[in-house]
Amino acid sequence: ETGVTQSPTHLIKTRGQQVTLRCSSQSGHNTVSWYQQALGQGPQFIFQYYREEENGRGNFPPRFSGLQFPNYSSELNVNALELDDSALYLCASSPQYRGNTEAFFGQGTRLTVV
Amino acid sequence: AQSVTQLDSQVPVFEEAPVELRCNYSSSVSVYLFWYVQYPNQGLQLLLKYLSGSTLVKGINGFEAEFNKSQTSFHLRKPSVHISDTAEYFCAVKKAGNMLTFGGGTRLMVKP
Repeated sequence: ETGVTQSPTHLIKTRGQQVTLRCSSQSGHNTVSWYQQALGQGPQFIFQYYREEENGRGNFPPRFSGLQFPNYSSELNVNALELDDSALYLCASSPQYRGNTEAFFGQGTRLTVV
Repeated sequence: AQSVTQLDSQVPVFEEAPVELRCNYSSSVSVYLFWYVQYPNQGLQLLLKYLSGSTLVKGINGFEAEFNKSQTSFHLRKPSVHISDTAEYFCAVKKAGNMLTFGGGTRLMVKP
């Protein structure tokens, strides 16, 4: 059984550009969540996707958007990048969208905005 | 709204000594509680979780935690730490759905 995989592992972008980060969920998991972890801080919830629809969102502006595909993989898109978007972006998958299920995290994508 | 407070940002400890990492949460409803570990340049790995039942939960790598509802705490303990336990530790709570609310993290530094 493969775990959660994210690509790319590192990325450098210029302020104002757009970026797409990708996540393959663990086999059998239909729910994907994205988190932003700024340096020295705990992860912050961005949003969650279940069956290709967003069903929960944290305090992030609309320029943070996502997609979930029929195979449950997911993308995080960030438009008009700002310097403060520099962070580790973590994807987590779960076998269902509610209840006492744990989230399994990928290794993350380190985004640097210059 | 729920929040998680990890009372110590850094905890230095000598190898083979016991350690406790403190976590307090605020929530008006029942929650599920988790501890994750993050090694440098890596994602999060689940150490243990409290869902219901016994308030003392055991996890991987010899860690355990005790849920105290009256004090809204979920402190993490290990009786004897190793150099390899040096990492960042995050306490997290989950209410509805799968959204996790994390604390700010505690850096455990194990010294020889």
